[in-house]
Amino acid sequence: AQKITQTQPGMFVQEKEAVTLDCTYDTSDPSYGLFWYKQPSSGEMIFLIYQGSYDQQNATEGRYSLNFQKARKSANLVISASQLGDSAMYFCAMRTNRDDKIIFGKGTRLHILP
Amino acid sequence: DGGITQSPKYLFRKEGQNVTLSCEQNLNHDAMYWYRQDPGQGLRLIYYSQIVNDFQKGDIAEGYSVSREKKESFPLTVTSAQKNPTAFYLCASSISEQGYYRGNQPQHFGDGTRLSIL
Repeated sequence: AQKITQTQPGMFVQEKEAVTLDCTYDTSDPSYGLFWYKQPSSGEMIFLIYQGSYDQQNATEGRYSLNFQKARKSANLVISASQLGDSAMYFCAMRTNRDDKIIFGKGTRLHILP
Repeated sequence: DGGITQSPKYLFRKEGQNVTLSCEQNLNHDAMYWYRQDPGQGLRLIYYSQIVNDFQKGDIAEGYSVSREKKESFPLTVTSAQKNPTAFYLCASSISEQGYYRGNQPQHFGDGTRLSIL
């Protein structure tokens, strides 16, 4: 069965520090994509970063990077130099080549402290 | 600009009433989705559609219905059979391609509709 697990329901981090949000996944499909989304309190879902199962290098997008460890089935999001505006809910998601369904984790609520 | 439009932003339903949530996209995406989100929780898939005139049930389809008569539109009806409809509803779309490239297509989301019971 396909599954996404986010084990941190909430995190508090001091502004300007780096933060790592954990995500592990399970799939038997060899071809898949992993995504991270940010959901501010206003509710919209903002796509942050993508990692493909065949990608050799870890994905990076500005202050966001994805620490992809395929053997451990882990796809942690790293936010460098955190800012107050990073306070939000963060969701890890997976899409496989099998169909068009995308599976979401339960999310991690990140609080950045001034 | 291309995007997904959900309306209304807020919706109130009386007991025993059906209500329809609108979702329109101009991204030329084949696949469209409806999710339900309860406070402090993740997203649960209600229905999704990969092509016009076809759709599949997600994990929590009971009490909901959809149609896909046009590529751009995927309305969701919350029926009176849905006993606990108060939630935040998100519509999404993505490219749907057969084969290798499907896995790398992210979903694009609308801004959501908050549904409450009167």
